[in-house]
Amino acid sequence: AQKITQTQPGMFVQEKEAVTLDCTYDTSDQSYGLFWYKQPSSGEMIFLIYQGSYDEQNATEGRYSLNFQKARKSANLVISASQLGDSAMYFCAMREASSIKAAGNKLTFGGGTRVLVKP
Amino acid sequence: KAGVTQTPRYLIKTRGQQVTLSCSPISGHRSVSWYQQTPGQGLQFLFEYFSETQRNKGNFPGRFSGRQFSNSRSEMNVSTLELGDSALYLCASSYGPSNDRGYSNQPQHFGDGTRLSIL
Repeated sequence: AQKITQTQPGMFVQEKEAVTLDCTYDTSDQSYGLFWYKQPSSGEMIFLIYQGSYDEQNATEGRYSLNFQKARKSANLVISASQLGDSAMYFCAMREASSIKAAGNKLTFGGGTRVLVKP
Repeated sequence: KAGVTQTPRYLIKTRGQQVTLSCSPISGHRSVSWYQQTPGQGLQFLFEYFSETQRNKGNFPGRFSGRQFSNSRSEMNVSTLELGDSALYLCASSYGPSNDRGYSNQPQHFGDGTRLSIL
């Protein structure tokens, strides 16, 4: 089974509007971390936001917020007031505690969602 | 603070050759991970090094190897190159240690990647 599922392969969003990118995950660990990364066409991966499994508040970083629903195992990224520069691939990733204790910092990535912001 | 530096940015090789990619992590980061990104398989974990020791290895053949030096710089080597090794190779660094709950909220910071093409 996929550990990280991003069901939206691509989407368009109008400039200045908000967009929600879906991410569901599968883990039996109690401790885990969820990350969102942005990858522009140039290739670099840019860290956006983090949510820990024990965090009670949803994470926010500027225009990025994470809608974390632990019982549903979802961690959707919300980008508010979209800008043309937000056009990129977006990846959801998970780091499980079993991965850290046994083996360090391994991230498992979803397949990504390509976002295109229209002027 | 300088980011993660990967060299070279682009590389063209032929089948059967070998290649060495280099990664200099952010100063103070002791964990270095390597990922392979292809259109078909997405982002896949190769291996991670922490304090010169390999902590985890992904599901890749033995042709893929790596090492880490005392200054935390890391290299990965691919021998007997195959056409399927054409990919973007991404290096990521992070601080490394876990917190008391067994996980770390420190994100992995990625370099710009090395784009390897096999002819």
